Amino acid sequence: EDQVTQSPEALRLQEGESSSLNCSYTVSGLRGLFWYRQDPGKGPEFLFTLYSAGEEKEKERLKATLTKKESFLHITAPKPEDSATYLCAVHGGSQGNLIFGKGTKLSVKP
Amino acid sequence: DVKVTQSSRYLVKRTGEKVFLECVQDMDHENMFWYRQDPGLGLRLIYFSYDVKMKEKGDIPEGYSVSREKKERFSLILESASTNQTSMYLCASSGHVDEKLFFGSGTQLSVL
Repeated sequence: EDQVTQSPEALRLQEGESSSLNCSYTVSGLRGLFWYRQDPGKGPEFLFTLYSAGEEKEKERLKATLTKKESFLHITAPKPEDSATYLCAVHGGSQGNLIFGKGTKLSVKP
Repeated sequence: DVKVTQSSRYLVKRTGEKVFLECVQDMDHENMFWYRQDPGLGLRLIYFSYDVKMKEKGDIPEGYSVSREKKERFSLILESASTNQTSMYLCASSGHVDEKLFFGSGTQLSVL
């Protein structure tokens, strides 16, 4: 069964404390892995797309990486404004549509 | 920038009412989607459309229908609202099937 699992469910960091969020997936024929950021009461906002193992993308304090089984979203020296829920989604497998993980809620305390 | 606009930010309806959720995108996107988002369950696809007058069932279509009469507009219809349809509803669009989604701000629907 096609599946996307994100861990941890919630993560609390101090400002400046770097960490990583994990997205593991089991789909055949990956056509793309997406990371989104969602602020409370708003719709998800696109961050990155990764297509093949070994690929990396960066934006400010965020860096996304991809292997054949998982993706990591690395957050370097986070700030309170990085607090949000981060969603991972995968295109591929037997379903034609995106499969979303349940998200990781990140809180960064000053 | 792409803009996806959902007509209502908050809605409160009674059980049994017919409910319309409207979504408009301004980037001439072919594909439009309706999701619902619930705590602990994540985003689940209700219906999607690849073209005008086309519709496809997603993972949880029961109790919902959709309409796409114009390319820029995709409507979600709850024929007879029930309390278990209380949720955050998110509309999204994309230019191609495998491309990133652009989401609206969501409609928080409460069915009493």
